[in-house]
Amino acid sequence: GAVVSQHPSRVICKSGTSVKIECRSLDFQATTMFWYRQFPKKSLMLMATSNEGSKATYEQGVEKDKFLINHASLTLSTLTVTSAHPEDSSFYICSVNRGARLAGGPTDTQYFGPGTRLTVL
Amino acid sequence: GQNIDQPTEMTATEGAIVQINCTYQTSGFNGLFWYQQHAGEAPTFLSYNVLDGLEEKGRFSSFLSRSKGYSYLLLKELQMKDSASYLCAVMDSNYQLIWGAGTKLIIKP
Repeated sequence: GAVVSQHPSRVICKSGTSVKIECRSLDFQATTMFWYRQFPKKSLMLMATSNEGSKATYEQGVEKDKFLINHASLTLSTLTVTSAHPEDSSFYICSVNRGARLAGGPTDTQYFGPGTRLTVL
Repeated sequence: GQNIDQPTEMTATEGAIVQINCTYQTSGFNGLFWYQQHAGEAPTFLSYNVLDGLEEKGRFSSFLSRSKGYSYLLLKELQMKDSASYLCAVMDSNYQLIWGAGTKLIIKP
C-alpha cells in the first residue's frame, strides 16, 4: 500500500491566492521529507528539504518566501505556494527517506508521494 | 489496489546489456515513466511511454505493453556510472503517480 500521501491531488486556483499542499508519511516517522517540482517530461527538480522541528533547507534559485515549508510533526510536511502565479502551475511531489534501523540493518529507501497538480489561472 | 513491481536489485558487468522489468496494475493509465537516481541526488527523467512499443534514446531504450501491464528499461554498453537506482512510475487515470520501489543496479568491472 501507499507509504506517502499527498493532499490535495489536484488544485485549481486564481492568480494571487495561496495554496497549501500536505505530505504525509503513513507508515513511519520521517524526520526529513523532500519537495520536488516536475515539469512535463523533465527530471524532478528538488526544491527543498523539510526538516522536522527546524527550518527547511532550500535549493539554489527556490524562493523560500514564496514556497513556505512547515514540517510540524514527524508524519506531516506542508508546502504553501504563496501569491501563486500561472508560472507556478506544475506537478509537486514529496518524498520521504526511510532511514530507520530495522532488524538486519539500516534502510535508506526513498518513497515518493503521488503528486499534486497545481493549476493557477 | 494499485501496484508496481520491479526487482529490488540487479547486478551486471561493465559493457554488457541489462533489462529492468516493471509490471503494473493501476486504475487507468496515462503513461509510464522511468527515472534514474544516484544516491543522494534527485531522480533524473529517462523516458516516458504512453503508446505500445520501443522507444530508443542513445544507450537507453524503454518498452511498453499496455495490454500486459508491462514495461522494461534496456541499458546497453553499461558503464560504471550507470550504477544507480531505476524507478518505474505509472500515471493513473487521476493523473496521480504510482511509484515502484526502485531497482538498484550494480555494475561490476
